[in-house]
Amino acid sequence: AQSVAQPEDQVNVAEGNPLTVKCTYSVSGNPYLFWYVQYPNRGLQFLLKYITGDNLVKGSYGFEAEFNKSQTSFHLKKPSALVSDSALYFCAVRGLQGGKLIFGQGTELSVKP
Amino acid sequence: GAGVSQSPSNKVTEKGKDVELRCDPISGHTALYWYRQSLGQGLEFLIYFQGNSAPDKSGLPSDRFSAERTGGSVSTLTIQRTQQEDSAVYLCASSLGLSGDGEKLFFGSGTQLSVL
Repeated sequence: AQSVAQPEDQVNVAEGNPLTVKCTYSVSGNPYLFWYVQYPNRGLQFLLKYITGDNLVKGSYGFEAEFNKSQTSFHLKKPSALVSDSALYFCAVRGLQGGKLIFGQGTELSVKP
Repeated sequence: GAGVSQSPSNKVTEKGKDVELRCDPISGHTALYWYRQSLGQGLEFLIYFQGNSAPDKSGLPSDRFSAERTGGSVSTLTIQRTQQEDSAVYLCASSLGLSGDGEKLFFGSGTQLSVL
């Protein structure tokens, strides 16, 4: 069965500093991997996805994520954090055979000025 | 419609009552998901519909929960004999399917269910 782990409930970063939100996954075969973001009082939004190809995936709002097959990780990164990046971030995985999309527990990102 | 629509946005009910939550997906989307979001529990998968295939019900927490999707469009999630632990935000999402951008899910605003 597929699963996702986000080991940090909360990440605190100063504005302008780089940020990393961690995600590891477990799935049979090669995965489809995703990041979604939930801003306060707003719905969940797609951020980026990895299907195949380059291990570094670029997405919305300057975010990127690095797929590492040997470590079964898909960490979300941004070179310079903004206060407006403060939100709840979810990692998700689906096996290549299709089917349900499984989300992690979420990580609360707080960026302070 | 322009997006995924869920109704009602808020539902307060008494323990033991049945509730129905509705989801209108984006027109043309063949895949539809229900998730539950509770504080500290993240986003919990409930059920997944894909076209005319049998739904994946593996996430439903008990036989009090059921869902149907009529005509490949509107979906209803029914919770029978509600319990206080059912209190959560119930989210619906839809997508085009499993090719290209089909993997991208579009979420509704959710139904906040409170069981007293």
